[in-house]
Amino acid sequence: DTAVSQTPKYLVTQMGNDKSIKCEQNLGHDTMYWYKQDSKKFLKIMFSYNNKELIINETVPNRFSPKSPDKAHLNLHINSLELGDSAVYFCASSQGLNSANVLTFGAGSRLTVL
Amino acid sequence: SQQGEEDPQALSIQEGENATMNCSYKTSINNLQWYRQNSGRGLVHLILIRSNEREKHSGRLRVTLDTSKKSSSLLITASRAADTASYFCVPNQAGTALIFGKGTTLSVSS
Repeated sequence: DTAVSQTPKYLVTQMGNDKSIKCEQNLGHDTMYWYKQDSKKFLKIMFSYNNKELIINETVPNRFSPKSPDKAHLNLHINSLELGDSAVYFCASSQGLNSANVLTFGAGSRLTVL
Repeated sequence: SQQGEEDPQALSIQEGENATMNCSYKTSINNLQWYRQNSGRGLVHLILIRSNEREKHSGRLRVTLDTSKKSSSLLITASRAADTASYFCVPNQAGTALIFGKGTTLSVSS
């Protein structure tokens, strides 16, 4: 049973399209995250939700919209895709920011924008 | 939030040798964590050391923490080819998200 699962694993699309990446965790964690890893392998936090509430929103274009229907799911929707959005997107979860805050990561979703 | 700064950026060793990676950070922490990322894979949590601990072991891993110097080290003993990966240290302050630095890329050749 995968603890944090992301779909799709690979996504190839054209500039201007809209796409979504889904994430689900079965660990009972309260907090979920989206991180972006660019071609230089630098991992940057994008968003964090705690019990469906947005708690962290780094400087991310408005084209990116996270949605958390319940605390086990955090989806990422991207509008009007640009070449610079090509990256690997990682979902993660933890018990919460005030705990030891150990992250469990998904396997990543590689997005390629042509 | 703060990120750790790993040193060296890259490290190449032979199988069987020990690998030591260092980490520095800037402000007080509750704990410090080390993660590993194999090429093309997600990150995996390796070990957490609390601010009141000085040393911790897990299998072939040994982590030290010196809060007075704001530094930590990760020692991997008897390295294997499978240890080839990027390693990240992440200082954690309560109530903040984990911020990752550039990591140390370890290559272990057989």
